[in-house]
Amino acid sequence: RKEVEQDPGPFNVPEGATVAFNCTYSNSASQSFFWYRQDCRKEPKLLMSVYSSGNEDGRFTAQLNRASQYISLLIRDSKLSDSATYLCVAQGGNKLVFGAGTILRVKS
Amino acid sequence: DTEVTQTPKHLVMGMTNKKSLKCEQHMGHRAMYWYKQKAKKPPELMFVYSYEKLSINESVPSRFSPECPNSSLLNLHLHALQPEDSALYLCASSLTGGHYEQYFGPGTRLTVT
Repeated sequence: RKEVEQDPGPFNVPEGATVAFNCTYSNSASQSFFWYRQDCRKEPKLLMSVYSSGNEDGRFTAQLNRASQYISLLIRDSKLSDSATYLCVAQGGNKLVFGAGTILRVKS
Repeated sequence: DTEVTQTPKHLVMGMTNKKSLKCEQHMGHRAMYWYKQKAKKPPELMFVYSYEKLSINESVPSRFSPECPNSSLLNLHLHALQPEDSALYLCASSLTGGHYEQYFGPGTRLTVT
């Protein structure tokens, strides 16, 4: 079993749609969680950290369920510019463990 | 400013060459990382430096040799690489190791011929 598993994707959605990504992690000792966004041939960029209480940043909402070892990312009112690969990341000991990523394609 | 810089942006080298990748950050971060990323795969951790000391080596072949001259700089020395080593090499930094978010540089796209 992979340490961090994500929805396989790709997700093809129209502009304005709401889309949700899910992720599970296997290390119950993980304390920190993040969502990164990566555009084609670019570096990963931190989108948001994920807290137990949930957090929101504009159109983006992240949730953490420690009991189920589950992380989610909700994107509302999708824009063409949201098209990217979204990487779910969990702390594993002294390092971060990346999921394989989910591709989002927003179409007009 | 959350900026990590890397040079060069692109590098083509033969299997007998020696080259170095450079990474710099001025955020006062004390942990720095090298990752390798192949197309359509997530970043794969290679090395971690914490307070200028190597703390993690993910069983990377010795043809890759990291160096941390000071808290702001990180180098990756390359020697006798193989074509399968062609990839995007990413540097990242974080406040300290462990659970802090990491900030990535733009990467060096390496092609080994």
